Amino acid sequence: DQQVKQNSPSLSVQEGRISILNCDYTNSMFDYFLWYKKYPAEGPTFLISISSIKDKNEDGRFTVFLNKSAKHLSLHIVPSQPGDSAVYFCAVFLSGTYKYIFGTGTRLKVLA
Amino acid sequence: DTAVSQTPKYLVTQMGNDKSIKCEQNLGHDTMYWYKQDSKKFLKIMFSYNNKELIINETVPNRFSPKSPDKAHLNLHINSLELGDSAVYFCASSRGTGTRQYFGPGTRLTVT
Repeated sequence: DQQVKQNSPSLSVQEGRISILNCDYTNSMFDYFLWYKKYPAEGPTFLISISSIKDKNEDGRFTVFLNKSAKHLSLHIVPSQPGDSAVYFCAVFLSGTYKYIFGTGTRLKVLA
Repeated sequence: DTAVSQTPKYLVTQMGNDKSIKCEQNLGHDTMYWYKQDSKKFLKIMFSYNNKELIINETVPNRFSPKSPDKAHLNLHINSLELGDSAVYFCASSRGTGTRQYFGPGTRLTVT
């Protein structure tokens, strides 16, 4: 029973274009959302987060959008760079717990 | 200076053996976690400790026993290793909850 899904296992994008990674969740009570990037043989590293009181958060080339009614989260990377090639995980959190639930990951490949 | 470190990075052992994985964080965080990433790449929480106390135990077999000697360390001991325990194990830490997590580089455990 996967509470957090990333339906695209992989995505290829040309350098300089926009990468859009999507994430769907099932529980409307989740109130904090994060994106992590993971290179091979390394641990995930934090990218950007958003709380449920917002619908958009930007940090440089990275923007996270939250659509609470659709229970949908997306990460936009503009412009995409070859160094962005990695696996991206979304994660959700419910206040009052210590539990983060991760999505299944999307492998992004940015083509030079 | 590594924020979250794990040893060993690779561990190959036979079924039935007992092994330990060590984790240390130098960030002054009060919450630490163990995650398992299986062959399907799902990143699933196993345990969470807050101020050396066990907070989350996600229906992990009792062959797995976490131990937190102090707030900076969370070790994972596994008894009677089975083939299905083969995975990458990640340690992580955070300042409280509902904040970004910092992950270690992972320990790839192979049980033969």
